[in-house]
Amino acid sequence: ETGVTQTPRHLVMGMTNKKSLKCEQHLGHNAMYWYKQSAKKPLELMFVYNFKEQTENNSVPSRFSPECPNSSHLFLHLHTLQPEDSALYLCASSQVASSTDTQYFGPGTRLTVL
Amino acid sequence: QKEVEQNSGPLSVPEGAIASLNCTYSDRGSQSFFWYRQYSGKSPELIMFIYSNGDKEDGRFTAQLNKASQYVSLLIRDSQPSDSATYLCAPPWMDSSYKLIFGSGTRLLVRP
Repeated sequence: ETGVTQTPRHLVMGMTNKKSLKCEQHLGHNAMYWYKQSAKKPLELMFVYNFKEQTENNSVPSRFSPECPNSSHLFLHLHTLQPEDSALYLCASSQVASSTDTQYFGPGTRLTVL
Repeated sequence: QKEVEQNSGPLSVPEGAIASLNCTYSDRGSQSFFWYRQYSGKSPELIMFIYSNGDKEDGRFTAQLNKASQYVSLLIRDSQPSDSATYLCAPPWMDSSYKLIFGSGTRLLVRP
């Protein structure tokens, strides 16, 4: 595996389900990010981890819970989601959390909440 | 409220023409910009990073930054149908050392 990988690629869940999104980066980076991309809206930053420490929670509802066990892995735990949470969830990584470091994106998880 | 504005398009150009994509931003402190390309159904990929006034060229791509006018553009010379994608402009937030603000993107269509 190379770059940034995400699983699953597609997920359909009901509002009462609990599921998790997984991201893994094979680039030796120390920063990882979760973004949400809804139709016709800009990418929205959700969470940032730098050296496994969460440095940003961009006013994300508590039904989204991130976890970063090490610099290579990032999870997004989902529970009691709403239909408006349906979107493409993108994971990214960079060498460190810096605005001048290129962020490399994974392929995304297309989430549909019924 | 920090904002990045891009014309959503689609911008339609014939193959071989120059495509000009523009981006304006409200944060006067923004010192650098990323341009990302996103194909339909795919994730964004880096095209260019520019951090100083003037032009930066990389192959068929030229990024132009004018900090005084708060304007950045991306020129694509000899446009190819494979350039058809959405182009995202992203300056950093100046009140953060690591956040980027992404524009909604401009959709480019290159007609064969």
